[in-house]
Amino acid sequence: GAGVSQTPSNKVTEKGKYVELRCDPISGHTALYWYRQSLGQGPEFLIYFQGTGAADDSGLPNDRFFAVRPEGSVSTLKIQRTERGDSAVYLCASSSYGGGGYTFGSGTRLTVV
Amino acid sequence: DQQVKQNSPSLSVQEGRISILNCDYTNSMFDYFLWYKKYPAEGPTFLISISSIKDKNEDGRFTVFLNKSAKHLSLHIVPSQPGDSAVYFCAASAKTSYDKVIFGPGTSLSVIP
Repeated sequence: GAGVSQTPSNKVTEKGKYVELRCDPISGHTALYWYRQSLGQGPEFLIYFQGTGAADDSGLPNDRFFAVRPEGSVSTLKIQRTERGDSAVYLCASSSYGGGGYTFGSGTRLTVV
Repeated sequence: DQQVKQNSPSLSVQEGRISILNCDYTNSMFDYFLWYKKYPAEGPTFLISISSIKDKNEDGRFTVFLNKSAKHLSLHIVPSQPGDSAVYFCAASAKTSYDKVIFGPGTSLSVIP
């Protein structure tokens, strides 16, 4: 596709469950980013990949959060033992050159009940 | 500690008039600044950026002004159009980590026909 695709668009899960959120970046984009946006706030940086490797994961809030990008294209954000405070819109973005002029996907709205 | 601040949560402007959205930052290491626009249920869209070596950058109806000494930037939209109604995020990054972009909380702009 032409844009960044995120699936699912909505996810409702019970507290304590494991979830995976998927991001398909724009073809050829080497840089991929995950952000989290809570209600009334701006996107919060989680992690950045350059190719297959995590170049900066300083935004991951704790060890329940993990992300992979094994082949340098699709990425999966994994959240273990979900908590109600994890409820947010998780945004993925990609870029061919880095530096902030990203293309964002529409996000996955995660609700933990 | 919010490094990028947008102190006006909302702004209303008449169609055809100028919209001025303001942003302040606290981190003196920031040297690249961006504005993003977001419609409901969509991801943010990159609008315009400015490097710290400049004090103004213009793209059509959008102009960003940077005052480094005051750690302040603003986005001017002239003339404002109803389609400009959206949430606008100010964002910044530092040369030591260009790919870790920090976003402000956003300003919701309503352009009234």
